[in-house]
Amino acid sequence: DAEITQSPRHKITETGRQVTLACHQTWNHNNMFWYRQDLGHGLRLIHYSYGVHDTNKGEVSDGYSVSRSNTEDLPLTLESAASSQTSVYFCASKGAADEKLFFGSGTQLSVL
Amino acid sequence: GESVGLHLPTLSVQEGDNSIINCAYSNSASDYFIWYKQESGKGPQFIIDIRSNMDKRQGQRVTVLLNKTVKHLSLQIAATQPGDSAVYFCAENFRNTGNQFYFGTGTSLTVIP
Repeated sequence: DAEITQSPRHKITETGRQVTLACHQTWNHNNMFWYRQDLGHGLRLIHYSYGVHDTNKGEVSDGYSVSRSNTEDLPLTLESAASSQTSVYFCASKGAADEKLFFGSGTQLSVL
Repeated sequence: GESVGLHLPTLSVQEGDNSIINCAYSNSASDYFIWYKQESGKGPQFIIDIRSNMDKRQGQRVTVLLNKTVKHLSLQIAATQPGDSAVYFCAENFRNTGNQFYFGTGTSLTVIP
């Protein structure tokens, strides 16, 4: 069955380190998204991509970057991790417009 | 930006009762809505969706109602079971943002056995 997987499930890092979270989907979806989820907030969009080599900033993109070299993967990089980036990160993908988002299981990131 | 909100942050119901979870949206141009269920430690799981050309849609034990006049969305769960305990949130999509969704903060549903 098609799926979307994230790795690692849990990550602890130190302030200032570079961290990359992986996202891989097998639906052949063009559209992929990264969200962060924090208490008191709904899912907030970090970056998104509508296809290979396409990347766009979301509402909370500062300190994050993504790259899209193929259809299946959209890795999220924290250039210099900050404690404010401690959060749960979700990757999602969808097909055409008006189709639902499929989410991964999330990555719990702690920046100490 | 647009906001999607929920009227109540928590809801407790007795097992077997019906549950109603509400969501308000502010963009009248929103044309596609989804309800998600999120259990502790897991990713959001699709429950049911509805497009703006519909007022009601039913699934297995769940019904979504859309009132475009007051920009209100609700999720009804029939005969609520302990396995329904989770956070539920709505998401809206409108065409002028392409494929982006906006999410509410969620309602935590607790089912009392």
